[in-house]
Amino acid sequence: GAGVSQSPRYKVAKRGQDVALRCDPISGHVSLFWYQQALGQGPEFLTYFQNEAQLDKSGLPSDRFFAERPEGSVSTLKIQRTQQEDSAVYLCASSLVGTSILQLDTQYFGPGTRLTVL
Amino acid sequence: DAKTTQPTSMDCAEGRAANLPCNHSTISGNEYVYWYRQIHSQGPQYIIHGLKNNETNEMASLIITEDRKSSTLILPHATLRDTAVYYCIVRVEGNTGKLIFGQGTTLQVKP
Repeated sequence: GAGVSQSPRYKVAKRGQDVALRCDPISGHVSLFWYQQALGQGPEFLTYFQNEAQLDKSGLPSDRFFAERPEGSVSTLKIQRTQQEDSAVYLCASSLVGTSILQLDTQYFGPGTRLTVL
Repeated sequence: DAKTTQPTSMDCAEGRAANLPCNHSTISGNEYVYWYRQIHSQGPQYIIHGLKNNETNEMASLIITEDRKSSTLILPHATLRDTAVYYCIVRVEGNTGKLIFGQGTTLQVKP
């Protein structure tokens, strides 16, 4: 079946531009996560949705970062006034259920969007 | 969540078993050990997880020491496609579900 998809796969932005990154989770998955991965580092958590509710945004690095999932399926991560330090791979992951049922809480990751800010 | 320590890199010959260690000396009784891997230019992929018993699935085996302070991921017959960064992660049930990745171990499988 279809996995998690992300678009675009690559994005080049000039410093100061706004960007929008899209995530299509696996159909029916309740939970959706965004992670940021700098070059040579492990992914770092940004934010978490359970259906349309954003339950944890503790990892968002600044108020320039905004995420939404209005209908509980597709999610968009928006970065305003991009800076060079925003250059990274942005990963989206989804899981079937809410976080209380750990046995079923395997996160399935998309291929990521590589953002380069010039 | 407890912190984990892994070697930065390891080599393994193709066809041989790859044994990847992980230390998690501050693990609590309700924390699970998870393993994910990330092949170059792909998103992380779930491998296996366990609480205190050894676990095996079609991808790998997970051996957890009796005191739960360390574990070993075993790939029984490594192939070139197993070359990846392997992450050992400790998770507690009931938190937001976010994964806290460290630096991981870069496993290079050589012909």
